[in-house]
Amino acid sequence: QQQVKQSPQSLIVQKGGISIINCAYENTAFDYFPWYQQFPGKGPALLIAIRPDVSEKKEGRFTISFNKSAKQFSLHIMDSQPGDSATYFCAASKTYGNKLTFGGGTRVLVKP
Amino acid sequence: DAGITQSPRHKVTETGTPVTLRCHQTENHRYMYWYRQDPGHGLRLIHYSYGVKDTDKGEVSDGYSVSRSKTEDFLLTLESATSSQTSVYFCAISPSSGANVLTFGAGSRLTVL
Repeated sequence: QQQVKQSPQSLIVQKGGISIINCAYENTAFDYFPWYQQFPGKGPALLIAIRPDVSEKKEGRFTISFNKSAKQFSLHIMDSQPGDSATYFCAASKTYGNKLTFGGGTRVLVKP
Repeated sequence: DAGITQSPRHKVTETGTPVTLRCHQTENHRYMYWYRQDPGHGLRLIHYSYGVKDTDKGEVSDGYSVSRSKTEDFLLTLESATSSQTSVYFCAISPSSGANVLTFGAGSRLTVL
């Protein structure tokens, strides 16, 4: 079963535009929602994370929006840059659980 | 980089042969994980370890075994490789606290012909 569903699978955006990636989860026990960024040939790296006590978290040009009632969360990349071209994974887990469940990934291409 | 090394980085093998991938960490982290990455499936957990000789299955553990005899090393073994196990394998580590904050290795690309 796929407990975390991510969309779209791929995304092309012009430089300066906004990239939006959406995720939906099923397990209501999840209370930790990170996003990982992966460049070609590299392992994923933690980008930003949110817990359900807040509806939004912003770090630089990256913002997570969280909707607990809809069991959805999203990543917004503002003023997208070519250097943001990467694959992005959402994930979810229990705060003190030791297993992250990942979404299917979104390949983002930012055109100059 | 966070002191996590995977070997080999690339391997081509034939169906039916055994394969072992190694993950070595220098961070003294308690938790170690093996994930496989396939297009459209994201990262799927194969096995994980929460201490020396303490391991458990993930969501796609069939056909794989693991061992952890030392804190720093976590081995993933494919007893008899199949073409469906062609994938990129990632090792990850996390400390005891915040066990769901993962640091990934660079990956091992395995091709089974």
